[in-house]
Amino acid sequence: GQNIDQPTEMTATEGAIVQINCTYQTSGFNGLFWYQQHAGEAPTFLSYNVLDGLEEKGRFSSFLSRSKGYSYLLLKELQMKDSASYLCAVRKGSTLGRLYFGRGTQLTVWP
Amino acid sequence: GAGVSQSPSNKVTEKGKDVELRCDPISGHTALYWYRQSLGQGLEFLIYFQGNSAPDKSGLPSDRFSAERTGGSVSTLTIQRTQQEDSAVYLCASSPGTILTDTQYFGPGTRLTVL
Repeated sequence: GQNIDQPTEMTATEGAIVQINCTYQTSGFNGLFWYQQHAGEAPTFLSYNVLDGLEEKGRFSSFLSRSKGYSYLLLKELQMKDSASYLCAVRKGSTLGRLYFGRGTQLTVWP
Repeated sequence: GAGVSQSPSNKVTEKGKDVELRCDPISGHTALYWYRQSLGQGLEFLIYFQGNSAPDKSGLPSDRFSAERTGGSVSTLTIQRTQQEDSAVYLCASSPGTILTDTQYFGPGTRLTVL
């Protein structure tokens, strides 16, 4: 594997901010993806980082530090519908080809 | 437009039987991937097709697993002589196959249960 680590579970309350971390160890790094997966549904694409820095997209932001092998997904103004599993995935080598996934972080948002 | 579709959505089979899972990628996407997701595990790569190139089969767990992609579109994943450890959700994804971001878009999956 590519040693992609993320916390198994997190909880937060509605309206709060939560940060989900992902660390990885891989050679030939070529991009990091975040996906959201609701129970029983397909993973849906949230964000992509290939250069260092922060990418903001509405309530969701994703950060990457290639030198540290570290990324985080920041969710602001949490809503109940944000309760889901968040998957971190790394691509190595070619732009095309398989992704290496972490086990996912199950986020529960409480009212 | 239509997303990735998979059929059946659920499949229950007996140990030792063969099963076929189907994936219809997004129209125009040249790359197609199969992954499987077991309870509590991350997505496990199985096989990848890109255009007319030879597929990357490096993730297939045994020779009981095979896949084909006809006409560069629909793909079928076949599992022969199914075992209980094959029980999982089988996810298909497709991507445009470009040299840019090339985001993978997933189908809803087929939940396979081997009794």
